[in-house]
Amino acid sequence: DGGITQSPKYLFRKEGQNVTLSCEQNLNHDAMYWYRQDPGQGLRLIYYSQIVNDFQKGDIAEGYSVSREKKESFPLTVTSAQKNPTAFYLCASSLTGTNEKLFFGSGTQLSVL
Amino acid sequence: QKEVEQNSGPLSVPEGAIASLNCTYSDRVSQSFFWYRQYSGKSPELIMSIYSNGDKEDGRFTAQLNKASQYVSLLIRDSQPSDSATYLCAVNKATNNNDMRFGAGTRLTVKP
Repeated sequence: DGGITQSPKYLFRKEGQNVTLSCEQNLNHDAMYWYRQDPGQGLRLIYYSQIVNDFQKGDIAEGYSVSREKKESFPLTVTSAQKNPTAFYLCASSLTGTNEKLFFGSGTQLSVL
Repeated sequence: QKEVEQNSGPLSVPEGAIASLNCTYSDRVSQSFFWYRQYSGKSPELIMSIYSNGDKEDGRFTAQLNKASQYVSLLIRDSQPSDSATYLCAVNKATNNNDMRFGAGTRLTVKP
């Protein structure tokens, strides 16, 4: 079945640690996105990528980094510079851009120990 | 002013009633509008998309867009308990295809 796979479902970060969230899609979509969702709030864009080896910052990119070495993969690293990382992280993809339907992964809940 | 505003709710309706969810947006040049449904702890799924003024119907769902008033709504007819979820309004700016802004969502509860 085609879709977006995020892992892990739950992740815990220690103080000063970098952690990486995985996102893989087999939909052959060009565009991929990372959103952060805090309780009672909408989704906020962290980074997006329209093509391989290219990505752009969203509204809240500070403390995060991404790579897009393959079309299928768009991992997100939460660095120690992100002081408030506890949130629900959603990866999404679309065929070319967001005038189209976004397909979401099942999300990763990140918490700080 | 937030770019996309929704009443956070909770909105409670009895089973079989019409649920009306509202959304306003601030950027007049916005071109694409979406409603996503999100169950607790799950990822959002697209319910409706609308691009031009007027109504768009899909089964029990109707999206309404009024660009002059910068207002988009979602009506759910014959509401079912399974419709209980948070509904997110999303607006895409014309100037940047990847600039999709989400509202905070309205939590809907349909009581049997």
